[in-house]
Amino acid sequence: ETGVTQTPRHLVMGMTNKKSLKCEQHLGHNAMYWYKQSAKKPLELMFVYNFKEQTENNSVPSRFSPECPNSSHLFLHLHTLQPEDSALYLCASSQETGSWTEAFFGQGTRLTVV
Amino acid sequence: EDKVVQSPLSLVVHEGDTVTLNCSYEVTNFRSLLWYKQEKKAPTFLFMLTSSGIEKKSGRLSSILDKKELFSILNITATQTGDSAVYLCAVQGAQKLVFGQGTRLTINP
Repeated sequence: ETGVTQTPRHLVMGMTNKKSLKCEQHLGHNAMYWYKQSAKKPLELMFVYNFKEQTENNSVPSRFSPECPNSSHLFLHLHTLQPEDSALYLCASSQETGSWTEAFFGQGTRLTVV
Repeated sequence: EDKVVQSPLSLVVHEGDTVTLNCSYEVTNFRSLLWYKQEKKAPTFLFMLTSSGIEKKSGRLSSILDKKELFSILNITATQTGDSAVYLCAVQGAQKLVFGQGTRLTINP
């Protein structure tokens, strides 16, 4: 266990559905991240939150909507997704952005859009 | 644009062999280089390197950074089947961690 918990672990949704991914960390970290990992592609950074403020949005389509109510929780709200959005979505946390410490990852949510 | 390139993309060796994985990078405001091992889902942290020429070691794994030539290597000696995984290299710039494509390492018994 890394101290970062993601739920659900697997999700199958239709293109018209709305769902949310949840990430929780109790490591006392102030930065949280969403990454997308598609087959045969590098981990792609989607969003960065530092002290609950969004500091990075890596040109992510608006059908992905992040929410960070506090430093321990991060959500990714999904609506009207496309089949090409099927991927492993990983949450990570670190002490703060740009810090000298490593990021810890959750187990990920395997998302399939049908 | 920040960039991290790993090589080889895939490597198959026999148990007991020694392997060297490569990571080269271009990033503004370099802070650190990190190696992760990803077996099923969550990448797990291996090493963080910030200074050139200082080897980090953990059991059969070791890594070193060359900030002048902008690369790092990860060595695994006396490989075991449990070392089979994707090894990810990531570089931390001013605000974000940029990952390479990963090297898929397969250790055959």
